[in-house]
Amino acid sequence: AQSVTQLGSHVSVSEGALVLLRCNYSSSVPPYLFWYVQYPNQGLQLLLKYTSAATLVKGINGFEAEFKKSETSFHLTKPSAHMSDAAEYFCAVSRNQGGKLIFGQGTELSVKP
Amino acid sequence: DADVTQTPRNRITKTGKRIMLECSQTKGHDRMYWYRQDPGLGLRLIYYSFDVKDINKGEISDGYSVSRQAQAKFSLSLESAIPNQTALYFCATRGEGSGTEAFFGQGTRLTVV
Repeated sequence: AQSVTQLGSHVSVSEGALVLLRCNYSSSVPPYLFWYVQYPNQGLQLLLKYTSAATLVKGINGFEAEFKKSETSFHLTKPSAHMSDAAEYFCAVSRNQGGKLIFGQGTELSVKP
Repeated sequence: DADVTQTPRNRITKTGKRIMLECSQTKGHDRMYWYRQDPGLGLRLIYYSFDVKDINKGEISDGYSVSRQAQAKFSLSLESAIPNQTALYFCATRGEGSGTEAFFGQGTRLTVV
């Protein structure tokens, strides 16, 4: 079964520092991959997605992610953290069969002033 | 108006009671999903539906049932609520294809006492 693992349930960075949130997937066939963000007391919204068109994907709010098949990874990065980036981030995977969208455990990002 | 609307937003209920969470969407998509969110566990899929006549169990369907009343409406029921069903519940909808974005409601915070 397809699954996705996010390393680190909490990540804390200083404002202006690099943000790196890790996501690894398990699949024998490269899947479709997504990053979602959840701000406090809100639903999830899409940050970016990988659908095989390009391995480096740019999303909203300055985030990007790189698909690395050899490492089965899809890590999320942002060069410079802003206080407004504090939220919970979810990696998700989908494949052609079934239509299910499966989420990782989530990573809570804190940004210190 | 929101693309995906969940009602109620908050609910406290007693152990053993039957409760229904409702979801409606205006995206015109056929696929709809119910997830529950628990700290440290991410979002786990309860049920999903590809159209009115196609309903499928997800990872954690025990203790839950669903009804797809129309393309736009997908309800989740707890037949006899128990305290470990206390969680944040999300409804989502998604278009055709495995690379499509899911749109989420604001969530229903359910507490079973």
